[in-house]
Amino acid sequence: NAGVTQTPKFRILKIGQSMTLQCAQDMNHNYMYWYRQDPGMGLKLIYYSVGAGITDKGEVPNGYNVSRSTTEDFPLRLELAAPSQTSVYFCASSYSPDNEQFFGPGTRLTVL
Amino acid sequence: QKEVEQNSGPLSVPEGAIASLNCTYSDRGSQSFFWYRQYSGKSPELIMFIYSNGDKEDGRFTAQLNKASQYVSLLIRDSQPSDSATYLCAVNRRDSGYGNKLVFGAGTILRVKS
Repeated sequence: NAGVTQTPKFRILKIGQSMTLQCAQDMNHNYMYWYRQDPGMGLKLIYYSVGAGITDKGEVPNGYNVSRSTTEDFPLRLELAAPSQTSVYFCASSYSPDNEQFFGPGTRLTVL
Repeated sequence: QKEVEQNSGPLSVPEGAIASLNCTYSDRGSQSFFWYRQYSGKSPELIMFIYSNGDKEDGRFTAQLNKASQYVSLLIRDSQPSDSATYLCAVNRRDSGYGNKLVFGAGTILRVKS
């Protein structure tokens, strides 16, 4: 039981490049989330999903896109990377919105 | 006013002492409250959750909730150097869309000195 996995662990992008951050969970959770964490700040919700085919925006969705074609996977797409997207990105999943969220190990992204 | 507020610290306590971490929230309708611990460079992990007013104890940890005052706290007894981390308070907020969302505070840095 791997829990929540994320790839890659680290990435450096140039301004204007695009990339996809991968997230997968093997706990059969319907709810999945993407957060970003800037230094000294709490977690900000980017997008979330309540099941395959259903996604919605969080607090800070601009510059990102998501899709959820299976229960297990919830990739986050960055289009036209900007320095403001330099951050640590965490994927999480939960059984329900009122239950504990399990976090992946994070992806540290730098945009130069 | 931030939705979830925490003192950023650092809070320094000697080994063996009680560490008291505090959090206030703005949404009176919030029903679920969580404390996560985050070591430097790692992901958050759940320490405690509490849904009802009063105290909830789990080993060296006690969560306290006062919904009337919109206040939740975490007490760590017999603090150990391994407790040194950032503690994130998270509160469930009623939201439009597909359900409640967790809103995180910025976290309190705890340092336990041996």
